[in-house]
Amino acid sequence: EVQLLESGGGLVQPGGSLRLSCGASGLTFSNYAMSWVRQAPGKGLEWVSSISGSGGSTYYADSVKGRLTISRDNSKNTLYLQMNSLRSEDTAVYYCAKYSGYSPHSARFDYWGQGTLVTVSS
Amino acid sequence: EIVLTQSPGTLSLSPGERATLSCRASQSVTSDYLAWYQQKPGQAPRLLIYDASIRATGIPDRFSGSGSGTDFTLTISRLEPEDFAVYFCQQYGSSYTFGQGTKLEIK
Repeated sequence: EVQLLESGGGLVQPGGSLRLSCGASGLTFSNYAMSWVRQAPGKGLEWVSSISGSGGSTYYADSVKGRLTISRDNSKNTLYLQMNSLRSEDTAVYYCAKYSGYSPHSARFDYWGQGTLVTVSS
Repeated sequence: EIVLTQSPGTLSLSPGERATLSCRASQSVTSDYLAWYQQKPGQAPRLLIYDASIRATGIPDRFSGSGSGTDFTLTISRLEPEDFAVYFCQQYGSSYTFGQGTKLEIK
């Protein structure tokens, strides 16, 4: 059974940094593209970033480009999201999601983690 | 960006009834690349339907998806107690966008 477990969320001041992790089990991790999706309080879901199975291709929403960096360590079955220059509007639950294939292009999310809360506030 | 609008926002029904949830796109969804997910409080979202009408692995046949282009529907034929949750649609044909969700509550 595929399981995704996020960690690393918490309270951070505006302008600060945080690194989220997502540990994966029950799959051959390097065979699948992965993504981060977030949900601000009382709002809908927003795609944040994606990465191919090898890690060689990355994609970002315009709202986070230049501030958030997605990466993966296939030897550790772990996905990361480095979050810098955080703003209040980055406050959200961050979900890790697995794509159905190696590439994120035109692919659905077939498994999700339970999410980790990031709060940006002074 | 393709905007997805779900209706109704909240649907109040009783177990055994039929539920019909709508998802309308602001422009045509490429190749009908539309998915439906179920989310319960504190749980991970679960994929129900992909490519507009294909049930994901392990999903009961009371869940069905239909539609194409800009209008899509999720139907739950006979509601079970465990079906009361939030449902959201997502298109993955042109980047990725989500609907705002429909809350299915017990009447």
